[in-house]
Parts: sequence; C-alpha cells; structure tokens
Amino acid sequence: NAGVTQTPKFQVLKTGQSMTLQCAQDMNHNSMYWYRQDPGMGLRLIYYSASEGTTDKGEVPNGYNVSRLNKREFSLRLESAAPSQTSVYFCASSNNLRQGGSPLHFGNGTRLTVT
Amino acid sequence: AQSVTQLDSQVPVFEEAPVELRCNYSSSVSVYLFWYVQYPNQGLQLLLKYLSGSTLVKGINGFEAEFNKSQTSFHLRKPSVHISDTAEYFCAVILTNAGNNRKLIWGLGTSLAVNP
Repeated sequence: NAGVTQTPKFQVLKTGQSMTLQCAQDMNHNSMYWYRQDPGMGLRLIYYSASEGTTDKGEVPNGYNVSRLNKREFSLRLESAAPSQTSVYFCASSNNLRQGGSPLHFGNGTRLTVT
Repeated sequence: AQSVTQLDSQVPVFEEAPVELRCNYSSSVSVYLFWYVQYPNQGLQLLLKYLSGSTLVKGINGFEAEFNKSQTSFHLRKPSVHISDTAEYFCAVILTNAGNNRKLIWGLGTSLAVNP
C-alpha cells in the first residue's frame, strides 16, 4: 500500500520553464490537495479538489494550475516558473473534505529549485 | 480572523525529559484538531486527532494531547522523549464558523530538538 506517491522527488528549473508535478493516491480518497512548504511560513494551500471533477483555489494559487485527472491523480502545473516558486511541494489526500474530521495523508514531497 | 498559533517555534530538550508543545486556536462553533509530525526530508504523518468524546487523546509514539475548549488549546505532550522524536510538529485545526463553513488551518510548526 503506497499511500500518496509524488514524482519527481527533486527538480531544478530555469526561470520561464514549465513542468508538471504528479501525484497519485491508492486509498480511494475523494479529496486531494497541493501545498507548498517554505521556511517560517508553514504549509500553504495552493489548490484542492474536494471530489473528482472539481478543483478550487487555495491561499496561493497564482502561477499554478491543477488537473484532477481521475479519482487517483491530481497534478500541479507551473506554466512559467519563477524563483519565488522555489519550495517543497506536498500532495495530500483525505477521505472527504466536506465531512470534516478526515485527516490528511501526505506524499514525501517534491523539492523544486528555480534558478 | 481564524488562526492557529503554535507558541514555540523551537523547543530544545534533553533525552528522557518530558515535553509539551503548545497550540492555541481562534474560537469556533466546532473544531476538529490534529497534530502531525514531519521527520527530515519526509512528508507529514498524523500523530493524533480529536474529533469528539474524551478530551485526552493518545497517538502514536507515546504522544498524547488534551483538548481544552475553554482555553481553545490542544497541547501535545510526551512524558519522556527519545532522540528519534527530533522532528517538526504541526498543529492543524478544522474550524467551522457560524455559516457552517469549514476551513483547515495550519500552525507554523514547532521544531523539537532532542539532545543526548
């Protein structure tokens, strides 16, 4: 049982390049999330998908797009990377955002550096 | 504004000593409370959660937390820490407002350093 799997683990981009971060969960969870983690700023929600077919903006959506490809997969795309997007990105899933009380299960993160 | 405050950004402690990591949240109609742990270069893992019932909840690795509604707190405790407990600890709260809107809010984390 892999849980939440993120690829790649590490990535270095030049300013202006694009890339897609992949995330897949095998727990049959309805809800999925993308966070970024920066020193001193904790976790900030970029986008989330409460259920298959829906996506919503979080606190810091600018510069990102997402796709909920199916129930298992939720990808995050940087169309034109900027140094401010250097961060560690975490994907997470939970049973059901709408019910409340569902804990999040996290992947191991993607460490992105934009030069 | 809705908020979660972890009162200590860093907590150094000696091995086998007790530790308390503090978490306070803004008042809400209802709350669900969580503590997560993040070991170096890993994702976050759930330590424990409070949804309802007994205000003292026990989690993995010998940790426990107590929900105090009057003080809007959910402090994490362990009576005797190990070197392996060195990690970042995050408090997270799902707050529900009067309009029945739920929001998950994270504290900024507390770095626990256990020294021999």
